[in-house]
Parts: sequence; C-alpha cells; structure tokens
Amino acid sequence: ETGVTQTPRHLVMGMTNKKSLKCEQHLGHNAMYWYKQSAKKPLELMFVYNFKEQTENNSVPSRFSPECPNSSHLFLHLHTLQPEDSALYLCASSQGTGDYEQYFGPGTRLTVT
Amino acid sequence: GESVGLHLPTLSVQEGDNSIINCAYSNSASDYFIWYKQESGKGPQFIIDIRSNMDKRQGQRVTVLLNKTVKHLSLQIAATQPGDSAVYFCAENREGGGNKLTFGTGTQLKVEL
Repeated sequence: ETGVTQTPRHLVMGMTNKKSLKCEQHLGHNAMYWYKQSAKKPLELMFVYNFKEQTENNSVPSRFSPECPNSSHLFLHLHTLQPEDSALYLCASSQGTGDYEQYFGPGTRLTVT
Repeated sequence: GESVGLHLPTLSVQEGDNSIINCAYSNSASDYFIWYKQESGKGPQFIIDIRSNMDKRQGQRVTVLLNKTVKHLSLQIAATQPGDSAVYFCAENREGGGNKLTFGTGTQLKVEL
C-alpha cells in the first residue's frame, strides 16, 4: 500500500448524474494531484493542490470540480460527464511541489454511460 | 512540440535476463526524471529517479541512465523476474515546474518463463 486511498474503486454513472471521487493520503504530505489515465494515452495531470490551495488547472473542463478541504483529503466532483470522460482517475500526493516523489493511489475506474 | 515518449510499446524478455526500457524527451529544461511501474489494477509505483546533474543512478536491481546530450533516459532491470511484468512509464519535471510531471505513453514489459 502506498498510503494513498481512493474511493470508490469503480463507478458507473449516467451523463446527467452527479458523483464525487474521494482521495485520502496518510503520509503527511502537503501536495495532492488528480490525474486522468485513458487507454493507450499518457497520464494527464488535471489539478494540483499545495497546502489546500489550487496551483494548477490543466485546462480541465468545468464539469470536473476539485475540492481540497485539507492537506489530507482531495475530492473530484463530477457533473454532466461525457462518455469520453470514461477513464481511470488517479490521485497522488507528495511532500511538496518541488522535485518530490509522487505517491499514487489505486485509482477509480469511471465509466460514463 | 514538447514530448516524453517511449521507443517500444511492448518488450518481452526471458526470466533472468536483463531488461532495458528506453525513453526520449525533448524538453531541455527538464531537470528531474522518474520511472514508475504500474501493475494491472494498481496505481503507478515509484521505482527510481534521477536529477539532471547526474548521468547514472542505481537502486536495487534497477539502474537509470540519463544522456542529456541526446535527451535520452533508460531503465535497466537486472535479472528480470515475473513480478517485474508491468507497464513502465518515464516522467519528466521541468526546472521550476512545480512537480507537474509529464508522462510518456508507457512500455509493457512481459517476462517469459
């Protein structure tokens, strides 16, 4: 185990649904990240938070809304998604936003129908 | 454009042989490089990293080589074992990049008994 947990592990939702992904890290890290992993494509960075403040939004559509209430928890709120949003969503954390190793959670496999 | 890419999508090796996985990058401003391993159903797991002021770094059974002249990174795995079967990603972090990693597509390593 990496010390980063994600729930749920699998999620199927319709295009009109609202759901949330949760990530929790037990490592005492200050930075947290959301990545999207689609089949046969590189991992894409979506958001970066450092000390609860968003420091990066990589041109992510507004139907994805992140929330970071504290340094240990990160959420990704989903609303009106499209089938092409189906992917593995990975959360990661690191000590800071310098050259630090990022620890990844197991991911949430999202299917949009 | 800027990219991090891998030469081969799939690499098959015999158990006990050495494996070499290659990665090319094009951003000369990158100063930190990481190799990750991802097994089926899991998130990426850190293997080894290297900073641009080094050209070689060794870990347990793994060695990373960095050639800044030709912008090439490689991961060598000694005495490859069945448990090494996974997808391997290289990632780069630009100088002052805020730990916003750019990942390659990945190489599938298959270990044959």
